[in-house]
Amino acid sequence: AQKITQTQPGMFVQEKEAVTLDCTYDTSDPSYGLFWYKQPSSGEMIFLIYQGSYDQQNATEGRYSLNFQKARKSANLVISASQLGDSAMYFCAMREGRGFNKFYFGSGTKLNVKP
Amino acid sequence: GAVVSQHPSRVICKSGTSVKIECRSLDFQATTMFWYRQFPKKSLMLMATSNEGSKATYEQGVEKDKFLINHASLTLSTLTVTSAHPEDSSFYICSAGSGGTSTDTQYFGPGTRLTVL
Repeated sequence: AQKITQTQPGMFVQEKEAVTLDCTYDTSDPSYGLFWYKQPSSGEMIFLIYQGSYDQQNATEGRYSLNFQKARKSANLVISASQLGDSAMYFCAMREGRGFNKFYFGSGTKLNVKP
Repeated sequence: GAVVSQHPSRVICKSGTSVKIECRSLDFQATTMFWYRQFPKKSLMLMATSNEGSKATYEQGVEKDKFLINHASLTLSTLTVTSAHPEDSSFYICSAGSGGTSTDTQYFGPGTRLTVL
């Protein structure tokens, strides 16, 4: 089974509106970390937000928030007040256990913000 | 966040030559670095995990003799593509773990675009 699933290959959103990018994960490890990265056309992977499996509250970082539903094994990224510069590929990733273990990446979602 | 650099950013080489890509953690020490390969419009594919002072751990299907990884210090890991062929053309990205945080986040370099003619 896929460790990380992103079911939206592409998404459109109007500038200034909010958008949710879906991510589901699969693991039997009780300790894990969930990450979202943004990859603009330049190719660089930019870290956006992190959610730990034991965190009680949803993570937030500025306009980014992570809707963590542990029972459903979902970790959706919410971008509020979309900006044109948000147009990029977005990848969800999971690390099992603690420490610098390898990441499992989803297939990504291409977000296009329309003016 | 922590800063990771890669050099070169782009390289074009002839088939049969070897190419070395460097990955440096600029403001932290990284005992573990990761090397990924990414094809156009695709996700990142982990090639190997590089640990300082020990042999790299390669993912299944990755030829260790073709993709040589050396993690000589806590701030530098290198990937050498030996006897490169056109099918090795790709975007190669490294990442490094920044210790001392509770998240164990990986920070990525800007990537190296390799074109083999």
